[in-house]
Amino acid sequence: DADVTQTPRNRITKTGKRIMLECSQTKGHDRMYWYRQDPGLGLRLIYYSFDVKDINKGEISDGYSVSRQAQAKFSLSLESAIPNQTALYFCATSDAPSSYEQYFGPGTRLTVT
Amino acid sequence: KNEVEQSPQNLTAQEGEFITINCSYSVGISALHWLQQHPGGGIVSLFMLSSGKKKHGRLIATINIQEKHSSLHITASHPRDSAVYICAVRDYNTDKLIFGTGTRLQVFP
Repeated sequence: DADVTQTPRNRITKTGKRIMLECSQTKGHDRMYWYRQDPGLGLRLIYYSFDVKDINKGEISDGYSVSRQAQAKFSLSLESAIPNQTALYFCATSDAPSSYEQYFGPGTRLTVT
Repeated sequence: KNEVEQSPQNLTAQEGEFITINCSYSVGISALHWLQQHPGGGIVSLFMLSSGKKKHGRLIATINIQEKHSSLHITASHPRDSAVYICAVRDYNTDKLIFGTGTRLQVFP
């Protein structure tokens, strides 16, 4: 089984709908991240969490919110989806500070119509 | 100007060729990562390095901290190496990753 899983893998939704993307990990890492990837752009950080009580905004947090329900679970919500949130979303974990290597989930392809 | 620049953006090669992908960055870093993204979208980490050189199979990554430059080499390229290769640096001050836009590699038989 994959160490970092994301659900759903693909989602099509309409403008204005609320949607939640979920991420689970079995690696036991404290640090978790949400990124989005757009064509022609590098991955950009939306939110990150260093533990259950520590959640921080990334460079593009507007329009998004997160919840760290447990060490293993980190969810990303779009409160009112808009078409320019159409992108590929990745969850990642890291066992920093012992190692800064990041482990990525398989991605969620989100389309907002 | 992007803080992490990769070149080339696109690369095609014949099977067996030696491949080089370059990454230049403008910020102070604590480490540099090379990632591979396959057509299905998943991202895997190939290397994390802060100095010198690392080798894994046919892949070699080098970094020159003074010149703020890293290269990823693939020897004896194979069609299964076809993927997008992404360079990312860990900003020394913010501890966050800054990603390049990727190099799309296609290796033809």
